[in-house]
Amino acid sequence: GDSVTQMEGPVTLSEEAFLTINCTYTATGYPSLFWYVQYPGEGLQLLLKATKADDKGSNKGFEATYRKETTSFHLEKGSVQVSDSAVYFCALLPGAGSYQLTFGKGTKLSVIP
Amino acid sequence: SQTIHQWPATLVQPVGSPLSLECTVEGTSNPNLYWYRQAAGRGLQLLFYSIGIDQISSEVPQNLSASRPQDRQFILSSKKLLLSDSGFYLCAWKGGQSLYNEQFFGPGTRLTVL
Repeated sequence: GDSVTQMEGPVTLSEEAFLTINCTYTATGYPSLFWYVQYPGEGLQLLLKATKADDKGSNKGFEATYRKETTSFHLEKGSVQVSDSAVYFCALLPGAGSYQLTFGKGTKLSVIP
Repeated sequence: SQTIHQWPATLVQPVGSPLSLECTVEGTSNPNLYWYRQAAGRGLQLLFYSIGIDQISSEVPQNLSASRPQDRQFILSSKKLLLSDSGFYLCAWKGGQSLYNEQFFGPGTRLTVL
């Protein structure tokens, strides 16, 4: 079946550090890929998405590129801020006829001043 | 624009008591609707999803049930809560037309069973 594997957290970085959160997936067909962010005590918000190979999703300084050859969708940000502290979820939506997202387990990011 | 509401925001219930959590979506029609649970320090577990009124699929057998009495209303219920039902419950919706639409999440309900 479909699955998403994220790097285990927690990840602690200093402000202005470079961030990478790894995400790899297993899926049949051509899934769409997503990153969601969950701030403390809140629901999930869509951060970015990519619907086909080589697409780059970007938002709020975050980027992720859909790499079909490595089945990856790593999240990156060049300079993190304290306000980026949150849990990040990688997810995939399988191809035609799918209703369900498959989520990774989440990676908690803490950014310290 | 579309919005999704959940209530209550927080709930503390004794073991064995009933449960009813409500989710409503505004600004769209015939959405796919989802209930997830997030236990402390863990990922998301899909509980139920619905592609239409009276069309509900259960992902995990348990003492919870879901109903969709109206197109944009999704209710999560239990007749008798267990300690293990504690967690953060998230409702989500997705536009039913496009295969590539993302899910949009509500603010969640924090349930503590004592």
